[in-house]
Amino acid sequence: DQQVKQNSPSLSVQEGRISILNCDYTNSMFDYFLWYKKYPAEGPTFLISISSIKDKNEDGRFTVFLNKSAKHLSLHIVPSQPGDSAVYFCAASKGSGGGADGLTFGKGTHLIIQP
Amino acid sequence: GAGVSQSPRYKVAKRGQDVALRCDPISGHVSLFWYQQALGQGPEFLTYFQNEAQLDKSGLPSDRFFAERPEGSVSTLKIQRTQQEDSAVYLCASSGVGGARWPQHFGDGTRLSIL
Repeated sequence: DQQVKQNSPSLSVQEGRISILNCDYTNSMFDYFLWYKKYPAEGPTFLISISSIKDKNEDGRFTVFLNKSAKHLSLHIVPSQPGDSAVYFCAASKGSGGGADGLTFGKGTHLIIQP
Repeated sequence: GAGVSQSPRYKVAKRGQDVALRCDPISGHVSLFWYQQALGQGPEFLTYFQNEAQLDKSGLPSDRFFAERPEGSVSTLKIQRTQQEDSAVYLCASSGVGGARWPQHFGDGTRLSIL
């Protein structure tokens, strides 16, 4: 039973355009969300995160939006660049209160930036 | 210092053998996590250490899996009497404070193949 779902296994976007990656979750106890980027044969690299008390967080070309009522978050990349081609993982945590749950990951979306 | 370091990068073992996987976290990081990533899936949480204390081992799939971090820095994940279903990439992550709230920084993983 997947608690974090990334329903698009792959996404192709033209260079310079906006890439939008989506993620849905089912566990209402999740209160902190992260996006990781992964190249082949490397470990995931942290990109951006958002707490459940916010609905938007921005860092350069990357913006994450959180809709708590819909249990949905999205990652926007503007403008998309060739180096953005990678697998993107959405992850969630119920780490409030000082507890230390491990992250729950989706299956990932393979983003391909077309020249 | 440098990022999270894992060794070996690749490990091939025969079914029934014991294996040991090593993780060197980022210097000074209190929290250390182990994850298992099967092909085409996202990482799945195995266990968590805060310093030398193993606070959560709920993700370990069986009693053949054992992890330790005796001095609060380097950690070892041991798998006894390996089975084919243990074939996966094993990822280690560390973070600066106790609690999953801080971004976890991942190593490049150990790819384990059981023949």
